[in-house]
Amino acid sequence: AQSVTQLGSHVSVSEGALVLLRCNYSSSVPPYLFWYVQYPNQGLQLLLKYTSAATLVKGINGFEAEFKKSETSFHLTKPSAHMSDAAEYFCAVSDNQGGKLIFGQGTELSVKP
Amino acid sequence: DTAVSQTPKYLVTQMGNDKSIKCEQNLGHDTMYWYKQDSKKFLKIMFSYNNKELIINETVPNRFSPKSPDKAHLNLHINSLELGDSAVYFCASSQEALRKLFFGSGTQLSVL
Repeated sequence: AQSVTQLGSHVSVSEGALVLLRCNYSSSVPPYLFWYVQYPNQGLQLLLKYTSAATLVKGINGFEAEFKKSETSFHLTKPSAHMSDAAEYFCAVSDNQGGKLIFGQGTELSVKP
Repeated sequence: DTAVSQTPKYLVTQMGNDKSIKCEQNLGHDTMYWYKQDSKKFLKIMFSYNNKELIINETVPNRFSPKSPDKAHLNLHINSLELGDSAVYFCASSQEALRKLFFGSGTQLSVL
């Protein structure tokens, strides 16, 4: 069975500081991994995805994530936080069967001026 | 044009009532989903349809019945609503090969 764990339900950073949101996964098959962002009162939108190509994945809005098989991790980073980055972030894993995504519990990112 | 649209956005109803949520996608995708997001923001898949055929049916009470009249529509009907059904329900669609989900903006269901 697959699962995803996001460390920290809430992360707070200052504007301009590094953003690091942690995600660890468990999968018995090579996983497909995703980061989604949810702004208040909106649906989720895809930030980036890993599908067994390059291990460093670049996404929208300056975010990137690195797949580390040895650590079973897929942490999300952004060099410099912006106020507009404040949102809920979800890591997700798929086994490529039927398109089913298993989501982590989410991390709320707050950005202080 | 909204890619995945669901209606209504808000739904307030009494326990025991029956209600439906509609979803439509204009992306030409083959697969549609219903996800439930609880008050702690935990997202869990409920159903998935591919070309009108049910392919994922998680452990969901029989009171929940999805219906897909065509591959652009996936509606969710809920019978005998209970307090625990209060949540935000998200419709999504994807094209299998791309494996990227496009989400609707959600329906906030409140059962009183």
